[in-house]
Amino acid sequence: QVQLVESGGGVVQPGGSLRLSCAASGFTFSSYGMHWVRQAPGKGLEWVAFIRYDGSNKYYADSVKGRFTISRDNSKNTLYLQMNSLRAEDTAVYYCAKSPPYGDYGDYWGQGTLVTVSS
Amino acid sequence: AIRMTQSPSSFSASTGDRVTITCRASQGISSYLAWYQQKPGKAPKLLIYAASTLQSGVPSRFSGSGSGTDFTLTISCLQSEDFATYYCQQYYSYPPITFGQGTRLEIK
Repeated sequence: QVQLVESGGGVVQPGGSLRLSCAASGFTFSSYGMHWVRQAPGKGLEWVAFIRYDGSNKYYADSVKGRFTISRDNSKNTLYLQMNSLRAEDTAVYYCAKSPPYGDYGDYWGQGTLVTVSS
Repeated sequence: AIRMTQSPSSFSASTGDRVTITCRASQGISSYLAWYQQKPGKAPKLLIYAASTLQSGVPSRFSGSGSGTDFTLTISCLQSEDFATYYCQQYYSYPPITFGQGTRLEIK
């Protein structure tokens, strides 16, 4: 069955960096686009970034453009989110989500990893 | 960016009720709309995609309709496990992919 497991979250100071990982199993990872979506404490869902199955195209929310980089290693079945210049407003649970073949929504989601930006 | 507005933001209902949640897009999105359910401390779960297609394994009491700018999620007979927060999401035009603000469904 599809399984997505995020890791790499933690506490980081403002201006710091963090790299999140999402380990995928149960499907052919290299065939599907992948998303990062976040949720600040007590708030709604905010889409962060999307990467095509082969890494050829990447898309970002304006709030993270230029600071965050989405990438993937299809040989390791792993999705990444490199987060630089972190701000307090980046504090959230970060979810990775798999896209189906047709339609860029999330059909399977990981359990999330918490990122806290605080001094 | 396409803005997604859900109504109501929250409401109370009883087990067995029929409930409808509305999602409006700021511009036409054809049928590129998904609905999710989220329970506290859990990841979102896909319920419906392409506005009206039920995701595999989702109970048939859930249904979706609409196209263009106006969409609805209907739960025909509320069960105790349905009390949660529901989000709509457009994937017609991006970036950015956008979510509605959520509708919290509580037990009356």
